[in-house]
Amino acid sequence: GDSVTQMEGPVTLSEEAFLTINCTYTATGYPSLFWYVQYPGEGLQLLLKATKADDKGSNKGFEATYRKETTSFHLEKGSVQVSDSAVYFCALRGGYNKLIFGAGTRLAVHP
Amino acid sequence: NAGVTQTPKFQVLKTGQSMTLQCAQDMNHEYMSWYRQDPGMGLRLIHYSVGAGITDQGEVPNGYNVSRSTTEDFPLRLLSAAPSQTSVYFCASSYPRDAGDNEQFFGPGTRLTVL
Repeated sequence: GDSVTQMEGPVTLSEEAFLTINCTYTATGYPSLFWYVQYPGEGLQLLLKATKADDKGSNKGFEATYRKETTSFHLEKGSVQVSDSAVYFCALRGGYNKLIFGAGTRLAVHP
Repeated sequence: NAGVTQTPKFQVLKTGQSMTLQCAQDMNHEYMSWYRQDPGMGLRLIHYSVGAGITDQGEVPNGYNVSRSTTEDFPLRLLSAAPSQTSVYFCASSYPRDAGDNEQFFGPGTRLTVL
């Protein structure tokens, strides 16, 4: 069945460092892909999405490109801030009204 | 708008007890769903609803019941709690009824412990 695999965390970075969180997927066809973010004590929020191959989603300085050749959707940010500390979830649309999530990657950014 | 609200925030139950997790949204969203979040497993879909009076099963429905009598509310019932149901539960909503590629809005979660 469809699945999403994320790099294990936690990822610990200093402020202004470059961030990459790896995400790969297994699915039939070319599903839409998403990154959700969960700040401490809150629910998940959509960060960005890409609905077809080669699309790039971007928001708040974060980017991810839908790569069908490598079945990947890696999240990147050029310069992280302390306020980016959160748990990041990669997800794919797994059929009608269904999101399939990865396990989540915790990011901690220190001043 | 309050968005998606969930009550309670925390709950401890004994094995065999029953309870209802409440979820409400004030955005007139047709689609609502329940997920559980377990360490190392991400979020898994329990049940979902595409409108009042319509519900369907997700990936892990066993041990849970739902109903949707109004657009705003989508309660999740545990009839006989088991330790395996210890988890964090999230309610989410979206418009229109086919959540598809549309953003899903999540509530803050309910942390449930079953002893």
